[in-house]
Amino acid sequence: EDQVTQSPEALRLQEGESSSLNCSYTVSGLRGLFWYRQDPGKGPEFLFTLYSAGEEKEKERLKATLTKKESFLHITAPKPEDSATYLCAVGAGNKLTFGGGTRVLVKP
Amino acid sequence: NAGVTQTPKFQVLKTGQSMTLQCAQDMNHNSMYWYRQDPGMGLRLIYYSASEGTTDKGEVPNGYNVSRLNKREFSLRLESAAPSQTSVYFCASSELGTGLAYGYTFGSGTRLTVV
Repeated sequence: EDQVTQSPEALRLQEGESSSLNCSYTVSGLRGLFWYRQDPGKGPEFLFTLYSAGEEKEKERLKATLTKKESFLHITAPKPEDSATYLCAVGAGNKLTFGGGTRVLVKP
Repeated sequence: NAGVTQTPKFQVLKTGQSMTLQCAQDMNHNSMYWYRQDPGMGLRLIYYSASEGTTDKGEVPNGYNVSRLNKREFSLRLESAAPSQTSVYFCASSELGTGLAYGYTFGSGTRLTVV
């Protein structure tokens, strides 16, 4: 059974204070590791797909990395608008299995 | 704007009532999905349709039925609602064949309360 665990559950940061979110996973036949952003009252919004260990992708202040067992989402010099829940998911077959998410609050 | 449209956005049901959640996408995607999201549980797959004419159970299908009406529309039905089905329901769609390259596109959700 595919499993995804995210940590921490919640993260409070000061504006400009960089940090990392962790996503550890077990899956048979990984077809991709996905990161989503979810704002309150909205559906998840796609950020990145990573396919193989060592791969990295960046978007503004966000950088995602992948190893064989986990992925990290690094937030560099965050701003209040980066406050959201970040979801990690693994793809196998034609389905995604999601972790529980990390709620990030960036205070000015 | 192109995307996934869910109706209704909010609904309150009494225990035992039935209802259908509607979902439509205009991106010509082949695959569609229904998830529920509960605090501390993350997103859990209820049912999915890999292509028009097919449906399959996900992780938590009990108490639900689905219909892939055509390529655009995928509905979720609660035949006899229970308080345990209080949740936020998300519909999503994706390409098939290109695999999961671009992930899913999600709707904005239906907030369902069963009293």
